[in-house]
Amino acid sequence: EAQVTQNPRYLITVTGKKLTVTCSQNMNHEYMSWYRQDPGLGLRQIYYSMNVEVTDKGDVPEGYKVSRKEKRNFPLILESPSPNQTSLYFCASSRSGYSYEQYFGPGTRLTVT
Amino acid sequence: AQSVTQPDIHITVSEGASLELRCNYSYGATPYLFWYVQSPGQGLQLLLKYFSGDTLVQGIKGFEAEFKRSQSSFNLRKPSVHWSDAAEYFCAVGQNSGGSNYKLTFGKGTLLTVNP
Repeated sequence: EAQVTQNPRYLITVTGKKLTVTCSQNMNHEYMSWYRQDPGLGLRQIYYSMNVEVTDKGDVPEGYKVSRKEKRNFPLILESPSPNQTSLYFCASSRSGYSYEQYFGPGTRLTVT
Repeated sequence: AQSVTQPDIHITVSEGASLELRCNYSYGATPYLFWYVQSPGQGLQLLLKYFSGDTLVQGIKGFEAEFKRSQSSFNLRKPSVHWSDAAEYFCAVGQNSGGSNYKLTFGKGTLLTVNP
Protein backbone atom coordinates (compact mmCIF):
# COMPACT_ATOMS: atom_id res chain seq x y z
CA GLU A 1 0.00 0.00 0.00
CA ALA A 2 1.29 3.42 -0.98
CA GLN A 3 1.70 5.48 2.13
CA VAL A 4 3.56 8.03 4.18
CA THR A 5 4.32 7.00 7.74
CA GLN A 6 5.31 9.14 10.69
CA ASN A 7 6.58 8.23 14.11
CA PRO A 8 5.77 8.87 16.81
CA ARG A 9 2.11 9.80 16.44
CA TYR A 10 2.03 11.51 19.81
CA LEU A 11 4.87 12.97 21.82
CA ILE A 12 5.03 14.96 25.03
CA THR A 13 8.43 16.36 25.88
CA VAL A 14 10.09 19.09 27.90
CA THR A 15 11.76 22.28 26.77
CA GLY A 16 15.26 21.75 25.46
CA LYS A 17 15.21 17.97 25.04
CA LYS A 18 16.22 17.11 21.49
CA LEU A 19 13.78 15.03 19.51
CA THR A 20 13.35 13.57 16.05
CA VAL A 21 10.13 12.84 14.20
CA THR A 22 10.62 10.30 11.45
CA CYS A 23 8.90 10.29 8.08
CA SER A 24 9.07 7.58 5.47
CA GLN A 25 7.36 7.08 2.09
CA ASN A 26 7.23 3.98 -0.12
CA MET A 27 6.23 5.65 -3.40
CA ASN A 28 9.71 6.54 -4.63
CA HIS A 29 8.75 10.21 -4.52
CA GLU A 30 11.46 12.78 -5.07
CA TYR A 31 9.76 15.62 -3.22
CA MET A 32 9.10 15.60 0.53
CA SER A 33 7.97 18.33 2.86
CA TRP A 34 7.12 19.07 6.48
CA TYR A 35 4.16 21.20 7.57
CA ARG A 36 2.86 22.30 10.90
CA GLN A 37 -0.82 22.85 11.56
CA ASP A 38 -2.01 25.32 14.17
CA PRO A 39 -5.59 26.42 14.94
CA GLY A 40 -6.60 29.41 12.87
CA LEU A 41 -3.36 29.36 10.88
CA GLY A 42 -3.89 26.33 8.67
CA LEU A 43 -0.87 24.41 7.42
CA ARG A 44 2.48 26.12 7.01
CA GLN A 45 5.53 24.65 5.37
CA ILE A 46 8.61 24.15 7.55
CA TYR A 47 11.18 22.55 5.24
CA TYR A 48 11.16 20.72 1.96
CA SER A 49 13.45 18.44 -0.02
CA MET A 50 13.62 18.10 -3.76
CA ASN A 51 15.75 14.96 -3.62
CA VAL A 52 18.48 13.22 -1.67
CA GLU A 53 20.84 15.73 -0.05
CA VAL A 54 18.74 18.65 -1.37
CA THR A 55 16.80 20.51 1.31
CA ASP A 56 15.67 24.07 1.84
CA LYS A 57 13.63 26.28 4.14
CA GLY A 58 9.91 26.77 3.89
CA ASP A 59 7.90 29.51 5.53
CA VAL A 60 8.55 28.72 9.21
CA PRO A 61 11.94 26.96 9.51
CA GLU A 62 13.18 28.53 12.76
CA GLY A 63 13.95 25.93 15.41
CA TYR A 64 13.89 22.97 13.03
CA LYS A 65 16.39 20.93 11.07
CA VAL A 66 15.94 18.25 8.45
CA SER A 67 18.08 15.79 6.53
CA ARG A 68 17.55 13.67 3.43
CA LYS A 69 20.16 10.94 3.27
CA GLU A 70 17.86 8.42 1.64
CA LYS A 71 15.07 9.01 -0.84
CA ARG A 72 12.41 7.43 1.31
CA ASN A 73 13.19 9.14 4.65
CA PHE A 74 12.91 12.77 5.71
CA PRO A 75 13.26 13.21 9.48
CA LEU A 76 12.37 16.43 11.28
CA ILE A 77 14.74 17.38 14.09
CA LEU A 78 14.04 19.75 16.95
CA GLU A 79 17.40 20.42 18.58
CA SER A 80 16.02 22.41 21.51
CA PRO A 81 12.22 22.31 21.51
CA SER A 82 10.27 25.19 22.97
CA PRO A 83 6.58 25.48 23.92
CA ASN A 84 5.82 27.49 20.77
CA GLN A 85 6.64 24.36 18.78
CA THR A 86 3.66 22.57 20.28
CA SER A 87 1.70 21.70 17.17
CA LEU A 88 0.43 19.03 14.81
CA TYR A 89 3.07 18.07 12.27
CA PHE A 90 2.53 16.52 8.86
CA CYS A 91 4.99 15.00 6.47
CA ALA A 92 4.06 14.89 2.79
CA SER A 93 5.57 13.53 -0.41
CA SER A 94 4.91 13.85 -4.11
CA ARG A 95 6.44 13.31 -7.47
CA SER A 96 8.60 16.21 -8.49
CA GLY A 97 6.73 19.29 -9.62
CA TYR A 98 3.94 21.39 -8.15
CA SER A 99 1.27 19.98 -10.39
CA TYR A 100 1.38 16.71 -8.55
CA GLU A 101 -0.73 16.09 -5.52
CA GLN A 102 0.99 15.63 -2.20
CA TYR A 103 0.36 12.58 -0.06
CA PHE A 104 0.23 13.20 3.66
CA GLY A 105 1.21 11.16 6.65
CA PRO A 106 -1.16 10.70 9.60
CA GLY A 107 0.39 13.48 11.64
CA THR A 108 2.42 13.77 14.83
CA ARG A 109 0.96 15.68 17.73
CA LEU A 110 3.79 17.26 19.70
CA THR A 111 3.43 18.92 23.08
CA VAL A 112 6.40 20.77 24.57
CA THR A 113 6.04 21.70 28.24
CA ALA B 1 2.25 36.76 -2.69
CA GLN B 2 0.12 33.78 -3.49
CA SER B 3 -2.72 33.14 -1.09
CA VAL B 4 -5.81 31.04 -0.57
CA THR B 5 -8.90 32.30 1.23
CA GLN B 6 -11.65 30.19 2.64
CA PRO B 7 -14.21 32.74 3.84
CA ASP B 8 -16.22 30.36 5.98
CA ILE B 9 -14.55 29.10 9.13
CA HIS B 10 -17.45 26.88 10.14
CA ILE B 11 -20.51 25.65 8.24
CA THR B 12 -23.38 23.59 9.57
CA VAL B 13 -25.73 21.71 7.27
CA SER B 14 -28.40 19.09 7.72
CA GLU B 15 -27.84 15.59 6.46
CA GLY B 16 -29.17 15.31 2.91
CA ALA B 17 -28.81 19.02 2.20
CA SER B 18 -26.55 20.37 -0.49
CA LEU B 19 -23.16 21.83 0.33
CA GLU B 20 -20.91 24.47 -1.16
CA LEU B 21 -17.57 25.41 0.39
CA ARG B 22 -15.95 28.51 -0.97
CA CYS B 23 -12.35 29.01 -1.96
CA ASN B 24 -10.68 32.02 -3.55
CA TYR B 25 -7.06 32.15 -4.58
CA SER B 26 -4.56 34.74 -5.55
CA TYR B 27 -1.98 33.47 -8.02
CA GLY B 28 -0.35 35.06 -11.02
CA ALA B 29 -0.08 32.06 -13.29
CA THR B 30 -2.33 29.12 -14.10
CA PRO B 31 -3.10 27.60 -10.74
CA TYR B 32 -2.97 23.99 -9.75
CA LEU B 33 -5.81 23.65 -7.28
CA PHE B 34 -6.64 21.00 -4.75
CA TRP B 35 -9.23 20.20 -2.12
CA TYR B 36 -8.21 18.09 0.85
CA VAL B 37 -10.32 16.72 3.68
CA GLN B 38 -9.15 16.07 7.22
CA SER B 39 -11.30 13.89 9.43
CA PRO B 40 -10.81 14.17 13.19
CA GLY B 41 -7.48 12.69 14.23
CA GLN B 42 -6.55 11.87 10.65
CA GLY B 43 -4.16 13.15 8.03
CA LEU B 44 -5.19 14.98 4.90
CA GLN B 45 -6.83 13.09 2.06
CA LEU B 46 -7.05 14.45 -1.45
CA LEU B 47 -10.63 14.93 -2.64
CA LEU B 48 -9.97 16.33 -6.10
CA LYS B 49 -7.63 18.44 -8.14
CA TYR B 50 -7.68 20.83 -11.08
CA PHE B 51 -4.77 21.22 -13.44
CA SER B 52 -6.29 22.19 -16.79
CA GLY B 53 -9.09 21.35 -19.16
CA ASP B 54 -12.66 20.89 -18.02
CA THR B 55 -13.39 23.42 -15.31
CA LEU B 56 -15.77 21.08 -13.47
CA VAL B 57 -13.82 18.32 -11.80
CA GLN B 58 -15.14 15.26 -10.07
CA GLY B 59 -13.58 13.82 -6.97
CA ILE B 60 -14.04 11.06 -4.49
CA LYS B 61 -16.97 10.65 -2.12
CA GLY B 62 -19.35 12.41 -4.50
CA PHE B 63 -17.63 15.80 -4.36
CA GLU B 64 -17.08 18.11 -7.29
CA ALA B 65 -15.48 21.51 -7.72
CA GLU B 66 -15.69 24.19 -10.35
CA PHE B 67 -12.79 26.38 -11.40
CA LYS B 68 -13.82 29.92 -12.35
CA ARG B 69 -10.86 31.91 -13.56
CA SER B 70 -12.82 35.18 -13.77
CA GLN B 71 -13.71 34.91 -10.09
CA SER B 72 -10.44 33.30 -8.94
CA SER B 73 -12.56 30.67 -7.26
CA PHE B 74 -12.54 26.92 -6.84
CA ASN B 75 -15.64 26.08 -4.84
CA LEU B 76 -16.35 22.59 -3.59
CA ARG B 77 -19.85 21.15 -3.87
CA LYS B 78 -21.81 18.08 -2.94
CA PRO B 79 -25.51 17.61 -3.77
CA SER B 80 -26.41 15.62 -0.67
CA VAL B 81 -24.30 15.60 2.47
CA HIS B 82 -23.86 12.49 4.61
CA TRP B 83 -23.07 12.50 8.33
CA SER B 84 -19.67 10.98 7.52
CA ASP B 85 -18.73 14.14 5.60
CA ALA B 86 -18.28 16.01 8.87
CA ALA B 87 -14.63 17.07 8.77
CA GLU B 88 -12.38 20.01 8.03
CA TYR B 89 -11.85 20.92 4.40
CA PHE B 90 -8.80 22.66 3.00
CA CYS B 91 -8.38 24.33 -0.33
CA ALA B 92 -4.80 24.59 -1.61
CA VAL B 93 -2.91 25.98 -4.56
CA GLY B 94 0.23 24.29 -5.83
CA GLN B 95 2.90 26.71 -6.78
CA ASN B 96 6.48 27.13 -7.65
CA SER B 97 7.36 29.48 -4.81
CA GLY B 98 10.75 30.45 -6.12
CA GLY B 99 13.87 28.45 -6.70
CA SER B 100 12.94 24.80 -6.73
CA ASN B 101 10.22 24.66 -4.11
CA TYR B 102 7.01 23.05 -5.20
CA LYS B 103 4.79 23.71 -2.24
CA LEU B 104 1.14 23.82 -1.39
CA THR B 105 -0.29 27.00 0.02
CA PHE B 106 -3.33 26.15 2.09
CA GLY B 107 -6.38 28.06 3.13
CA LYS B 108 -7.16 28.07 6.83
CA GLY B 109 -9.85 25.49 6.45
CA THR B 110 -13.62 25.21 6.77
CA LEU B 111 -15.03 23.01 9.49
CA LEU B 112 -18.16 21.20 8.38
CA THR B 113 -20.72 20.03 10.92
CA VAL B 114 -23.55 17.80 9.76
CA ASN B 115 -26.77 17.72 11.76
CA PRO B 116 -28.92 14.57 11.68
